[in-house]
Amino acid sequence: GENVEQHPSTLSVQEGDSAVIKCTYSDSASNYFPWYKQELGKRPQLIIDIRSNVGEKKDQRIAVTLNKTAKHFSLHITETQPEDSAVYFCAASILGDSSYKLIFGSGTRLLVRP
Amino acid sequence: NAGVTQTPKFRILKIGQSMTLQCTQDMNHNYMYWYRQDPGMGLKLIYYSVGAGITDKGEVPNGYNVSRSTTEDFPLRLELAAPSQTSVYFCASSYVLMQGSTDTQYFGPGTRLTVL
Repeated sequence: GENVEQHPSTLSVQEGDSAVIKCTYSDSASNYFPWYKQELGKRPQLIIDIRSNVGEKKDQRIAVTLNKTAKHFSLHITETQPEDSAVYFCAASILGDSSYKLIFGSGTRLLVRP
Repeated sequence: NAGVTQTPKFRILKIGQSMTLQCTQDMNHNYMYWYRQDPGMGLKLIYYSVGAGITDKGEVPNGYNVSRSTTEDFPLRLELAAPSQTSVYFCASSYVLMQGSTDTQYFGPGTRLTVL
């Protein structure tokens, strides 16, 4: 079945450094790739997304890149701050039986050390 | 807009009891979803709905039932609760164009369920 693999499962960086989280998807028809941030005890919240007709998208310190050929997409956070500490989930859209779903990666726990 | 709302926030059930988790969205989204998130884990799709009157199973539907009688509401029913259903339950909604372009999913605040 379709799946999304996410790496690493945990990531610890020094404040000010960059963090990169990578995801691989299996369905070549996937065309929408959101990234969610989930703080402890809270709901997942969208931080950035990218569609398959775009290779890169940036929003201040956050960027996402997409390589459709390799079926990879990555989240890049620059100048990390302690408030970036959270669990980050990638997801890929799946089209099945005329309906859309998102398949989520297993999450990356990011710790930014002050 | 309140977005996606869920009730209750917390609930403790005894084994074998039943309950309904409520979910409402006021964004006129056609798609609604139920996920469960076990401690330290990712999101697993239980059921989803593409519109009023239409529901379908996700990855982990066993032990749950849903209905979608209106665009706004998508309740999740647990029958005969088991300890394995201890989890945080998130409802989400999104707008999907019939041509195949999906928008992001917006999540509710979650319901923390413990089955003892």
